[in-house]
Amino acid sequence: EDKVVQSPLSLVVHEGDTVTLNCSYEVTNFRSLLWYKQEKKAPTFLFMLTSSGIEKKSGRLSSILDKKELSSILNITATQTGDSAIYLCAVTGYGGSQGNLIFGKGTKLSVKP
Amino acid sequence: DTGVSQNPRHKITKRGQNVTFRCDPISEHNRLYWYRQTLGQGPEFLTYFQNEAQLEKSRLLSDRFSAERPKGSFSTLEIQRTEQGDSAMYLCASSHPRDGLFYEQYFGPGTRLTVT
Repeated sequence: EDKVVQSPLSLVVHEGDTVTLNCSYEVTNFRSLLWYKQEKKAPTFLFMLTSSGIEKKSGRLSSILDKKELSSILNITATQTGDSAIYLCAVTGYGGSQGNLIFGKGTKLSVKP
Repeated sequence: DTGVSQNPRHKITKRGQNVTFRCDPISEHNRLYWYRQTLGQGPEFLTYFQNEAQLEKSRLLSDRFSAERPKGSFSTLEIQRTEQGDSAMYLCASSHPRDGLFYEQYFGPGTRLTVT
């Protein structure tokens, strides 16, 4: 069965710290891995990683896909209180469920001033 | 606002009542998805449409749940004879193809259902 496991489940840091969030997955015929940020509402899209795009960066956020290890990391440098949120990892495959996202439980990040 | 919209944002109902939620996707997106999210969990897939065709339903979608997208634009999700276990955030998302493949999904604000 397809699944996504994220770690840690929660994390508390201070402003200015660098954090690394982990995501490992098992999916039939992997197609893409996506990171979302969820505050007190709907998930907002951050990055999508595929076989042809294994590294993405936007400002202080960056993500790398390791297809050999079936995992991804999301790095946030110089954290700010506004980074406090739940970070969700999701995958899609070319298998029976084409297109729907399989999510992990998320990592709750709290950034203290 | 050209994002995904959902109505109502909050719904409180008594057990046994029927409820209906609406989702309006981003206008050029032809795929529409429904997810359910409970506290401490990531969203769980329920069903999705490509245009007006419902292409897949999750095992989570019991017979009390039905979804429609009659004209390939907005969609409705109905829950009949609600149970307390149906209390959750119901999220809608939409996506569109690039290079013939469907990619990132954009989520609406969700409808929070509370069944008392």
